[in-house]
Amino acid sequence: IAGITQAPTSQILAAGRRMTLRCTQDMRHNAMYWYRQDLGLGLRLIHYSNTAGTTGKGEVPDGYSVSRANTDDFPLTLASAVPSQTSVYFCASSEQGRGTGELFFGEGSRLTVL
Amino acid sequence: AQSVSQHNHHVILSEAASLELGCNYSYGGTVNLFWYVQYPGQHLQLLLKYFSGDPLVKGIKGFEAEFIKSKFSFNLRKPSVQWSDTAEYFCAVNSLSSGSARQLTFGSGTQLTVLP
Repeated sequence: IAGITQAPTSQILAAGRRMTLRCTQDMRHNAMYWYRQDLGLGLRLIHYSNTAGTTGKGEVPDGYSVSRANTDDFPLTLASAVPSQTSVYFCASSEQGRGTGELFFGEGSRLTVL
Repeated sequence: AQSVSQHNHHVILSEAASLELGCNYSYGGTVNLFWYVQYPGQHLQLLLKYFSGDPLVKGIKGFEAEFIKSKFSFNLRKPSVQWSDTAEYFCAVNSLSSGSARQLTFGSGTQLTVLP
């Protein structure tokens, strides 16, 4: 089934550790996104990528980095995790340039930083 | 920058009651509007969307929404809710002139609890 795959589903991490959340899509969408979801704040955009080889900062980029080496993969890295990065992270994709910008979401990665 | 406001943070209804969730956005240009639903423990799924034409749009599971441009609103409605509609609902806006990336801006969400 086509869609977005995220890994890990859940992770508990000690503060100061490095963590990479993986995201892979097989819909050949050119744009990909990382959101974090926090109670009462909805979804906030962390980073995005319009196409392979390009990335951009969203609303809350500090403490996170991304790369887009190819169309399918868009990993999110926390270089040195802090407790405020405890959240549920959603990867999404869309077809930029045509269509309406509808996002397709992965199942989410629940991260707890202690 | 565009913003989205959902005024109801938590709505509790009994089965068969009617539902209306408010959504207002701040952006003066052309927009695409979305409602997403997140069932407990699941990812976000598209409920319905508006991008042109009839301002009354119908989505899945009996939901509909009306785009009122003069009020910058896109309220979600359902005539008769069911217990299975218990979920969190997010309104989102995508401006068509936001440059290189058409990014969705989400509201803070409304938790709907339907009592059996």
